[in-house]
Amino acid sequence: NAGVMQNPRHLVRRRGQEARLRCSPMKGHSHVYWYRQLPEEGLKFMVYLQKENIIDESGMPKERFSAEFPKEGPSILRIQQVVRGDSAAYFCASSPESVTGELFFGEGSRLTVL
Amino acid sequence: GENVEQHPSTLSVQEGDSAVIKCTYSDSASNYFPWYKQELGKGPQLIIDIRSNVGEKKDQRIAVTLNKTAKHFSLHITETQPEDSAVYFCAASNDFGNEKLTFGTGTRLTIIP
Repeated sequence: NAGVMQNPRHLVRRRGQEARLRCSPMKGHSHVYWYRQLPEEGLKFMVYLQKENIIDESGMPKERFSAEFPKEGPSILRIQQVVRGDSAAYFCASSPESVTGELFFGEGSRLTVL
Repeated sequence: GENVEQHPSTLSVQEGDSAVIKCTYSDSASNYFPWYKQELGKGPQLIIDIRSNVGEKKDQRIAVTLNKTAKHFSLHITETQPEDSAVYFCAASNDFGNEKLTFGTGTRLTIIP
């Protein structure tokens, strides 16, 4: 049973470009969470999605950031017009329908903005 | 919202000794408290968790204790080994309806051979 798959693992963008990060949850999991981790810091919640629905986006910056989890395909975190402060590791986690609380994390996508 | 504080931020322990990491939380409605281990360049991995209907849980060398009245919980690692070196995060959530986890700021544990 494959774990949470994230790609790309590393992404370099210049200021003003767009970054797209993808996450495929574990098989059978219908809940996806995105977290951001700045260097030497903890994980900050960004957004919680179920298939085709955003459940909680209280941690998402109001501008430039968006997330989706379509009926088919991976969840995508999209950052438009990236700035240097967006440089961080972005982690996706998933959980199954029936069990609440437990999250399974992917290996992360490390975004570097030049 | 929930706020989780974690101490210490760094901890060095001689191999074979015990390590203790402590966390406090603010939301009395929180009832699920996992601990994650993150190795360099990897994602966090769940190592143990506890729910509010128990006060202690043990899994081999790892144990977690929970004091709901004081709103704090702790991770205990006994007989530490070099492979225990990593960053450890505590977290809390109210697991009604798949609520999000709120994480502590992490503890960098170094085991000295």
